Amino acid sequence: GENVEQHPSTLSVQEGDSAVIKCTYSDSASNYFPWYKQELGKRPQLIIDIRSNVGEKKDQRIAVTLNKTAKHFSLHITETQPEDSAVYFCAAISGGTASKLTFGTGTRLQVTL
Amino acid sequence: DAGITQSPRHKVTETGTPVTLRCHQTENHRYMYWYRQDPGHGLRLIHYSYGVKDTDKGEVSDGYSVSRSKTEDFLLTLESATSSQTSVYFCAISRDSWQFYTFGSGTRLTVV
Repeated sequence: GENVEQHPSTLSVQEGDSAVIKCTYSDSASNYFPWYKQELGKRPQLIIDIRSNVGEKKDQRIAVTLNKTAKHFSLHITETQPEDSAVYFCAAISGGTASKLTFGTGTRLQVTL
Repeated sequence: DAGITQSPRHKVTETGTPVTLRCHQTENHRYMYWYRQDPGHGLRLIHYSYGVKDTDKGEVSDGYSVSRSKTEDFLLTLESATSSQTSVYFCAISRDSWQFYTFGSGTRLTVV
């Protein structure tokens, strides 16, 4: 099955700096890559996603890049703000009639003032 | 709201007792999933359903069973709870298997 590795496990940045979280996946058939943000005590919520036919996608301060050849994808957050502090999860889904999301182990991002 | 609710939100139970967690959706989505979340492990799939009475195992299914008798409800049962099943359990739904998931608010289960 799919295996997703995520780095780093913790990341501390100063407000206004950029943050980058990287993930690799194992199944070359994977075709959908969402990113979730989870604030303390809350549910994971989708913040951005990308499909395998696209190399990059941007939504305001958040962007995701995908390198299919290398089987890795990254989340980029620019101009970080304190409210960006949370745990971020990457995930990958393979094709098929009953595909499932496999998640990375999460990155705890702390934005300091 | 997200159209998905989990109950109970918190539960403390004793080792060896059966426990059932409920996930209810109002989105009429075909796919439903149960994940558990533990520190250092992220979210791991327990079981999932791709239709009424159609279910399959995930990567950490031992000790768990599920049932889906109608579209809106997906039940997760711990037949005989163990301390290793202390965790936060999240239900998720999706319209299609290749689309994003929406998560419920979670159930914090403590087995003592």
